[in-house]
Amino acid sequence: TQLLEQSPQFLSIQEGENLTVYCNSSSVFSSLQWYRQEPGEGPVLLVTVVTGGEVKKLKRLTFQFGDARKDSSLHITAAQPGDTGLYLCAGRYNQGGKLIFGQGTELSVKP
Amino acid sequence: NAGVMQNPRHLVRRRGQEARLRCSPMKGHSHVYWYRQLPEEGLKFMVYLQKENIIDESGMPKERFSAEFPKEGPSILRIQQVVRGDSAAYFCASSPPPEAGVNTIYFGEGSWLTVV
Repeated sequence: TQLLEQSPQFLSIQEGENLTVYCNSSSVFSSLQWYRQEPGEGPVLLVTVVTGGEVKKLKRLTFQFGDARKDSSLHITAAQPGDTGLYLCAGRYNQGGKLIFGQGTELSVKP
Repeated sequence: NAGVMQNPRHLVRRRGQEARLRCSPMKGHSHVYWYRQLPEEGLKFMVYLQKENIIDESGMPKERFSAEFPKEGPSILRIQQVVRGDSAAYFCASSPPPEAGVNTIYFGEGSWLTVV
C-alpha cells in the first residue's frame, strides 16, 4: 500500500528551468524529510520539516510542509545539471516511528 | 551520509548461502532501521530496532530474514538461504531516541547484495 504519493516520477528539463516536486498523503505526518540519492549511494538528507506551513530554503531549493501536515513540495529554481538525481520524500507518523517513502522523482537536468 | 557505517558495500552470494549485513549507527544514535531497495523500486521499510529490542518488524519477510541490534556491536541483518529475488540494495539508517526530540533519520551508503 503506497501511503505517500510523489509526483512526477520522471522529470527531464533544460538547465535554467524551474521545477516542483509534490509529495501527497491522506495521512498526517509528525515530520517529513526530503532526501537525494545518487546511483550506487545512500539517500542523503536535504531537509526535515515538522511544523504545518513551514518553509525551508537550501540555496536554490525551497521546501514547504502543508498546513495540515499531509503534503509537501520541493521547488528548485534555475535547475543545474548537478541537480540531477533521485529525490525522495519520506514521512513519519510519530516521532519514534519508521519512515514511509514515496516512489521518488528521477530528475534529469540537461545542459 | 553523516557517519552511518555499513559493510560490506558489495556482497555476492550463491543461491542457498547466507548473507550478513552489518550496520554501525551514528555516534549517539540508539535506534536503527533497515530498508530494502529493489531495482527500479522505492525504499521499503523492513525493521526498526533499538539496542536488544525489535520495535517494529512489520516489513520483514516471514521467513529467512532476521535482524538484531545487540548491546555491544553493530546491527546485523541476516538473510538465510538466499534466492535471486533477494538481490537488492539494503540500507541502514539511524536516529537518536524519540525522547531526544530530534526527528532526523540518517542513512548509510548501503550494502549491495547480488545472488548468483
